[in-house]
Amino acid sequence: AQTVTQSQPEMSVQEAETVTLSCTYDTSESNYYLFWYKQPPSRQMILVIRQEAYKQQNATENRFSVNFQKAAKSFSLKISDSQLGDTAMYFCAFISNNAGNMLTFGGGTRLMVKP
Amino acid sequence: EAQVTQNPRYLITVTGKKLTVTCSQNMNHEYMSWYRQDPGLGLRQIYYSMNVEVTDKGDVPEGYKVSRKEKRNFPLILESPSPNQTSLYFCASGAVVGQPQHFGDGTRLSIL
Repeated sequence: AQTVTQSQPEMSVQEAETVTLSCTYDTSESNYYLFWYKQPPSRQMILVIRQEAYKQQNATENRFSVNFQKAAKSFSLKISDSQLGDTAMYFCAFISNNAGNMLTFGGGTRLMVKP
Repeated sequence: EAQVTQNPRYLITVTGKKLTVTCSQNMNHEYMSWYRQDPGLGLRQIYYSMNVEVTDKGDVPEGYKVSRKEKRNFPLILESPSPNQTSLYFCASGAVVGQPQHFGDGTRLSIL
């Protein structure tokens, strides 16, 4: 069974600074996908970024980028130029081709961006 | 507009009173799934479906039932709800494994 661990329950950052959220996972699969989802107070689940395990290049989406270390099974999220609207819960998630499209989530990191 | 619709958004009920949370998607997606979200635990898989009449258990299926009689609908049934099923529930759908899934807006269930 796959597991996803987010070791930072809460973090804070000053507006305009950079913050990195950690995620590690455990799997015996070789072909899988990793995601970061954002959940603002509205509780919607919003996709932030997606990484395919067979791609070595780290995914980026505007101010969001990942550091994907496949051998270490690590998938951290870097948020640059943090904005007040980035305040939310962030979930790291994993899916393999053999899981019927079911995501395995970490416990979440609550990020507070301070003015 | 592509969307996953869950109803109700909020429900307070009592132990033992059967309830159904509906989920409908308008994107013709093959895959649909249910998750529950609890503090500190993230979202956990309850059930999933890979197509009509094809369903399977996730990590926490006890106390829940599902059905997939039509491609667009995937209701979650609590036959005899108990207080430990108080949670925030999400339905999601996806077209292809590994592609981002679309989530509903969530259903907050309180079982007294």
